[in-house]
Amino acid sequence: ETGVTQTPRHLVMGMTNKKSLKCEQHLGHNAMYWYKQSAKKPLELMFVYSLEERVENNSVPSRFSPECPNSSHLFLHLHTLQPEDSALYLCASSQDLAGGLLTYEQYFGPGTRLTVT
Amino acid sequence: QKEVEQNSGPLSVPEGAIASLNCTYSDRGSQSFFWYRQYSGKSPELIMSIYSNGDKEDGRFTAQLNKASQYVSLLIRDSQPSDSATYLCAGPFGGYNKLIFGAGTRLAVHP
Repeated sequence: ETGVTQTPRHLVMGMTNKKSLKCEQHLGHNAMYWYKQSAKKPLELMFVYSLEERVENNSVPSRFSPECPNSSHLFLHLHTLQPEDSALYLCASSQDLAGGLLTYEQYFGPGTRLTVT
Repeated sequence: QKEVEQNSGPLSVPEGAIASLNCTYSDRGSQSFFWYRQYSGKSPELIMSIYSNGDKEDGRFTAQLNKASQYVSLLIRDSQPSDSATYLCAGPFGGYNKLIFGAGTRLAVHP
């Protein structure tokens, strides 16, 4: 496997279900991100993990719960979602040099297309 | 409010022409910018990054950054139908490892 992978690629779930999205990066990066992309809206940053610590929670509802067990893996646990949560969920990774002044390139996985019924 | 703004388009250009995509940003402290290409139903793909004032060329793509005017652009020379996609501009905000994305400009290259 190369780059950033995500599973599953498509997910349909009911509002009472619990599911998890998985992301794995094979780039040797130490920062990982979750984004949400809804139709006709800009990409929205949800969570940032740097060196396995969550450094950003962008006012995301608690029905979304991230987990980063190590620098290569990132999960997004979902429970009691709403239909408006249907979107493309994208994982990305980048290098993050602590104390650096530059923002480095982020590389995206293929995304999980989520439909909440 | 820190923002990155793009014209949503669509921008329609004939095959072989130069496509010019533009982006403005509000954070004067931003040091680096990125252009991503996103085909319909796919994830964003990084095509250019630029860290300093001036031009950066990579094949048919040229990124231009003007920090004084808070303006970044992407030129695509010899446009091909396969370049038809949405182009996203992104810049940092609120910390050095976070990006804010523009809404994207849809480019259509017609034969």
